[in-house]
Amino acid sequence: KQEVTQIPAALSVPEGENLVLNCSFTDSAIYNLQWFRQDPGKGLTSLLLIQSSQREQTSGRLNASLDKSSGRSTLYIAASQPGDSATYLCAVSNSGGYQKVTFGTGTKLQVIP
Amino acid sequence: EAQVTQNPRYLITVTGKKLTVTCSQNMNHEYMSWYRQDPGLGLRQIYYSMNVEVTDKGDVPEGYKVSRKEKRNFPLILESPSPNQTSLYFCASRMTGSNQPQHFGDGTRLSIL
Repeated sequence: KQEVTQIPAALSVPEGENLVLNCSFTDSAIYNLQWFRQDPGKGLTSLLLIQSSQREQTSGRLNASLDKSSGRSTLYIAASQPGDSATYLCAVSNSGGYQKVTFGTGTKLQVIP
Repeated sequence: EAQVTQNPRYLITVTGKKLTVTCSQNMNHEYMSWYRQDPGLGLRQIYYSMNVEVTDKGDVPEGYKVSRKEKRNFPLILESPSPNQTSLYFCASRMTGSNQPQHFGDGTRLSIL
């Protein structure tokens, strides 16, 4: 059974700092990995998706990397802003005919002005 | 506008009274899925569907039923709700393909007394 872990559970940084969020998974037979943000009381907003065959994806100030062999993905946020404050979730889809999805429990980020 | 629509958004009901949460998407997506989100446990997959008439259990299917008679709809049925099913529920959909991200609805907050 796939297990997904996100460390740290919470993070507080001053505005402008570059930061890295971590996501670890136990089964490397993945289909893809997707990063989301969730604001309090809201739904999930997709940030980046990395296919199993890819090493990284970039969108604006965000860069996500994937190392399947070590079971790790990182989300790099450059020049953090108060508007980046949210909970960040990673979700792993397993490969095979039926594609179950396993989420990590998230990292709650606070960017202090 | 491309979207995943869940109804109702909020529901308070009593133990044992059958209820259905509807989910509809207008993007012609093959894959649809239901999740529940609980504090400290994150998002967990309940059921998913690869296409019409093709469904499978996620990690927490007990007490839930689903059906996929049409491509756009994927209702979640609680035949005999119990208080431990009080949770925030999300529906998601995506196209087939490892480069296709999941799109989430806004969530349904369900309270069972």
